This record gives sequence, structure tokens and C-alpha cells, in this order.
Amino acid sequence: DTGVSQDPRHKITKRGQNVTFRCDPISEHNRLYWYRQTLGQGPEFLTYFQNEAQLEKSRLLSDRFSAERPKGSFSTLEIQRTEQGDSAMYLCASSFPGKYEQYFGPGTRLTVT
Amino acid sequence: AQKITQTQPGMFVQEKEAVTLDCTYDTSDPSYGLFWYKQPSSGEMIFLIYQGSYDQQNATEGRYSLNFQKARKSANLVISASQLGDSAMYFCAMRGVSGGGADGLTFGKGTHLIIQP
Repeated sequence: DTGVSQDPRHKITKRGQNVTFRCDPISEHNRLYWYRQTLGQGPEFLTYFQNEAQLEKSRLLSDRFSAERPKGSFSTLEIQRTEQGDSAMYLCASSFPGKYEQYFGPGTRLTVT
Repeated sequence: AQKITQTQPGMFVQEKEAVTLDCTYDTSDPSYGLFWYKQPSSGEMIFLIYQGSYDQQNATEGRYSLNFQKARKSANLVISASQLGDSAMYFCAMRGVSGGGADGLTFGKGTHLIIQP
């Protein structure tokens, strides 16, 4: 049973560019979560999916952020018109039906120059 | 709104000693869950232990136990017989029915634990 995988692991982009990250959850996990973690802080919740439905969005998720999970398997997180303040680690997690524990991937570290 | 407070930014502990990492929480939800995660320098968040607010007994997982005191709103993590590999950041987190979201976790700022030989 492989864990949660994320791609890419690192992304450097220039301000104003669009970026897209991918997350593949653990198989049979129907819930998928996105978090953002800045240096010295705990992760902050962004959004979550149950199967293909996006059920929650944090106030942190501005209009420049969009997430999808079209077939209820992998998910993508897109940031449009990136800003320097978007520089952070973007973490994906998944959980099994009926279980509360969330299992995290290795994260995608975004640097906006 | 939900809030997690971890008051120990850093801790140094001798190898083989027991460690207690503090966590207090605030929520108006009648039903909630508390978690501890470990984040080594590699960056990956590792799930350690979970406690439901209605669980009668404190949760235990190997060397980890959660000292849950509901009236005090505290959920301290106890690590017995610490090992060098326990050196990492430790985060306390909460899920609730409302506030930050039913399933999205609210994390504290973490405690940096260093185990010394």
C-alpha cells in the first residue's frame, strides 16, 4: 500500500505565473485534503473533497486558487497569477471512509521569485 | 472558532527519558477529535495518535499516549523512553463539527523536540 504522493516536490516560478500541483491519495481513501504550511507554522487547511465533491473551502482559498478532483481519485491544486506570499509548502492528505486520521504526502514546496 | 495552543516552542530531553508535550485547545463544538503529528526535518507529516472527545479512555499507540483532560481542555502527548529518532517538530491538531470546518484540521504552531544522547 503506497502512501500519498505529490508532484512536483519542488517548484520555482516567477511572480504572475500559474502553477499546478498534483496529489494522488492512498487507494480506497475517499477524502482528500489540501493544506498550506509556511515556515515555522503548522499547516493551514485550504479545502477538502469527499470523492469528487468539494465540500469545504477555507477563507484562505482566494479566487486565485482552484482545486479539482474530477474522478474522485487524484486531485490538482492550481494557483493563478502567483504572488510572493504564495511561497509555502503545499501538503495533501487523505483519509479512509469512516476514519478521522489523515495521512499526509511529502508536500510540494513552492518558491515564487 | 477553534484554536490549538502549544506553549513549548522547543524542548531538550535526554535519551531514554519520558517526554510530555503540552497542548491546550478551545472549541465550542460538542464533538471533536484531537490528533498529534510528527514532522521530521524531511518535512512529511506523520500521524501518531488520535483521541475522540467522547472516548472514555486515553488513547495509546506504542510509546505514544495522549493525556486527555477534557475539563481542562488539554491533550498532552507523552512519549515514553525517548529515542534519538524522536527528534522532530510535533504538532497538535483538532477537527470539529463547525468552526474551521468539519474535517479540515486546525493545527498548533508546534514544539521542536530535540533528544540528546
